[in-house]
Amino acid sequence: AQSVAQPEDQVNVAEGNPLTVKCTYSVSGNPYLFWYVQYPNRGLQFLLKYITGDNLVKGSYGFEAEFNKSQTSFHLKKPSALVSDSALYFCAVRDGRDDKIIFGKGTRLHILP
Amino acid sequence: DAGVTQSPTHLIKTRGQQVTLRCSPKSGHDTVSWYQQALGQGPQFIFQYYEEEERQRGNFPDRFSGHQFPNYSSELNVNALLLGDSALYLCASSHGLGNYGYTFGSGTRLTVV
Repeated sequence: AQSVAQPEDQVNVAEGNPLTVKCTYSVSGNPYLFWYVQYPNRGLQFLLKYITGDNLVKGSYGFEAEFNKSQTSFHLKKPSALVSDSALYFCAVRDGRDDKIIFGKGTRLHILP
Repeated sequence: DAGVTQSPTHLIKTRGQQVTLRCSPKSGHDTVSWYQQALGQGPQFIFQYYEEEERQRGNFPDRFSGHQFPNYSSELNVNALLLGDSALYLCASSHGLGNYGYTFGSGTRLTVV
């Protein structure tokens, strides 16, 4: 069965600095990988996905993620953080042979002004 | 173009009661997945509906049941409510297997007292 690990409960970054939110995964087949963001009392908003192709994926709001097959990781990155990026971020994975998407427990990103 | 619509937004029920939550998928989407998000946790997969049938199910008891209608909308039913069922219930829609990710609704906040 597939699984996702987000090792950090919270990440603090100063505004203007680069940010990284870590994610590792485990699947039997080829992975479909996703990042979502959640603001308070809201549903999840899609940021980006990796299905196949280039290992560096660009998404919404200046975010990008790097797929590393050997390390089974899919870390979320942004070159310059904004205070408005403060939110809860979820990494998710779907096994190519399965239909459901499994989410990590989330990482709270706090951007300091 | 409407996104995913969930109703009601908030609900308070008493232990032992039954509840029905509703979801209208995004236009063009035919698959609906339901997730439970407890406070401070990532979304947990409940089940997925496609072509009016439950296609896959997570580790939830039979008290959790669902339905999908010909117009692709869906209902989540929970019987014999427990205090532990208090959570944000998220509906996500996709076209087919969700290769390109899900679109989430804002959720229904269920409180069991």
